Amino acid sequence: AQKITQTQPGMFVQEKEAVTLDCTYDTSDPSYGLFWYKQPSSGEMIFLIYQGSYDQQNATEGRYSLNFQKARKSANLVISASQLGDSAMYFCAMREGLRNTGNQFYFGTGTSLTVIP
Amino acid sequence: GAVVSQHPSRVICKSGTSVKIECRSLDFQATTMFWYRQFPKQSLMLMATSNEGSKATYEQGVEKDKFLINHASLTLSTLTVTSAHPEDSSFYICSAGGAGSYNEQFFGPGTRLTVL
Repeated sequence: AQKITQTQPGMFVQEKEAVTLDCTYDTSDPSYGLFWYKQPSSGEMIFLIYQGSYDQQNATEGRYSLNFQKARKSANLVISASQLGDSAMYFCAMREGLRNTGNQFYFGTGTSLTVIP
Repeated sequence: GAVVSQHPSRVICKSGTSVKIECRSLDFQATTMFWYRQFPKQSLMLMATSNEGSKATYEQGVEKDKFLINHASLTLSTLTVTSAHPEDSSFYICSAGGAGSYNEQFFGPGTRLTVL
């Protein structure tokens, strides 16, 4: 089974509108971390936001928020007030174990977001 | 955030030659680094996990004799593509963790390899 599933290959959003990028995950480990990364056309991977499995509140970082629904195993990224610079690929990722830096990240297939002026 | 550099950013080589890609953590020590390969419009595929001072752990289907990984210090890991062929052309990205608040991975800017 896929560890991370992103079902939206491509999304369009009007500038200044909000958009939700879907992510579901699969793990039997009670301790895990969920991450979102942005990859612009330049190729660099930019860390956006993190949610730990024991976190009670949804994570927020500026215009990014993570809608964490543990029972449904979903970790959707919400981008508010979209900007043209938000056009990029977005990857959801999971690491099993909260603090172990040696554990690999599992990445989803990504969602290509295009912001329309 | 922490900085990971990768060199070269772009390389074009002839078939049959070997290419070395360096990955450095500039402001933190990384006991573990990861090497990924990414095809256009696809996700990152983990190739191997590189541990300082020990042999790398390769993912299933990745030829360890073709993709040589060396992690000689806490700040440097290298990937050598030996006897490169056109099918090895890809975007290679390294990452390292342990420096951020969430132990997130910090990625290098990537190396685009083109084998003629």
